[in-house]
Amino acid sequence: DADVTQTPRNRITKTGKRIMLECSQTKGHDRMYWYRQDPGLGLRLIYYSFDVKDINKGEISDGYSVSRQAQAKFSLSLESAIPNQTALYFCATSDDRREQYFGPGTRLTVT
Amino acid sequence: RKEVEQDPGPFNVPEGATVAFNCTYSNSASQSFFWYRQDCRKEPKLLMSVYSSGNEDGRFTAQLNRASQYISLLIRDSKLSDSATYLCVVTQTHGGSYIPTFGRGTSLIVHP
Repeated sequence: DADVTQTPRNRITKTGKRIMLECSQTKGHDRMYWYRQDPGLGLRLIYYSFDVKDINKGEISDGYSVSRQAQAKFSLSLESAIPNQTALYFCATSDDRREQYFGPGTRLTVT
Repeated sequence: RKEVEQDPGPFNVPEGATVAFNCTYSNSASQSFFWYRQDCRKEPKLLMSVYSSGNEDGRFTAQLNRASQYISLLIRDSKLSDSATYLCVVTQTHGGSYIPTFGRGTSLIVHP
């Protein structure tokens, strides 16, 4: 079984809809991250969490919110999706050595 | 100016060639350095950490130059399977914590 899982893997939604992307991990890591990847722009950090009670904004948090329900679960929400949020979204975890382990990604399309 | 810069390429090389990528970073207080590999439409995967003394893993050699603020990745005897995008990652301070910052990646195409 994969150490970091993401659901859904693909999603098409309409402008204005609320959507939640979920991430679960079995690696026992405290640190979790959400990134989006756009062609030519690389991976950009949306939010990160170093433990259950710690939530921090990353480089591009506007339009997104997160919830750290447990050590193993970190969800990303788009309260009102817009077309420029169409992207590939990755969840990642890391340990104290800061090596990151990524989920398989969620391909989100907002029409 | 992006904090972590990479030449996007693509680097197009024949099998067996040696190829090198560089990555520069702007924050001199950066603490940890990594190279990740990403195949098309897949998640990034750790290739190797980069240590101050330099390190080697088979055909791959990574080096860190703190004075000039760059890291490098050397691939010897390139294989077709090395074709991928190589991402440079630097952990930098953000609000008092060290968090990873990714370069945009360098594309490598190895052809027969």
